[in-house]
Amino acid sequence: DAKTTQPTSMDCAEGRAANLPCNHSTISGNEYVYWYRQIHSQGPQYIIHGLKNNETNEMASLIITEDRKSSTLILPHATLRDTAVYYCIVRVLTGRRALTFGSGTRLQVQP
Amino acid sequence: SQTIHQWPATLVQPVGSPLSLECTVEGTSNPNLYWYRQAAGRGLQLLFYSVGIGQISSEVPQNLSASRPQDRQFILSSKKLLLSDSGFYLCAWSNTYYEQYFGPGTRLTVT
Repeated sequence: DAKTTQPTSMDCAEGRAANLPCNHSTISGNEYVYWYRQIHSQGPQYIIHGLKNNETNEMASLIITEDRKSSTLILPHATLRDTAVYYCIVRVLTGRRALTFGSGTRLQVQP
Repeated sequence: SQTIHQWPATLVQPVGSPLSLECTVEGTSNPNLYWYRQAAGRGLQLLFYSVGIGQISSEVPQNLSASRPQDRQFILSSKKLLLSDSGFYLCAWSNTYYEQYFGPGTRLTVT
């Protein structure tokens, strides 16, 4: 699985968009970008994934650059409940299907 | 709908004592099952994964073991706990290439 780099922490005002970046410059053509988040003392929660097209679901949007070397997770209207550690993971679909979690970005949504 | 259960929620055990953590999944069949551990302030580390009954793969050599006696039951064990075994233990399941679903976790403190 390709290595990812994320900022250690970010702050965001409640009601504003939270933009969480992730660098994955060594991503290969068959690797997907996944985002999970972990609220304090809970198990991680799947958010979204994508290959090369931008994706949107009820939780967030995922913007992947054309060269696929970086991506941004966008929470359009952050709430206090979005305070969590956000993990960007790059991996292929095949294989053992396990996830490799890095340190993630600790997002603090401020009131 | 699918549900994943873990117990106990918290556990305090002395060094050298045995350990048994149980995870069960409802509402799906033949899932992939995973055990992860999260040390305080750190990311998730994959410990074991299983693609079927009796099939266990270990990711990290240590004094822990796992078993899958039934399709939707995954057990994490140790004969003698170490201080370094303290952490947040998470069970997860998947049956797609896209998402893993995590349980509520067990917080283990070895004293």
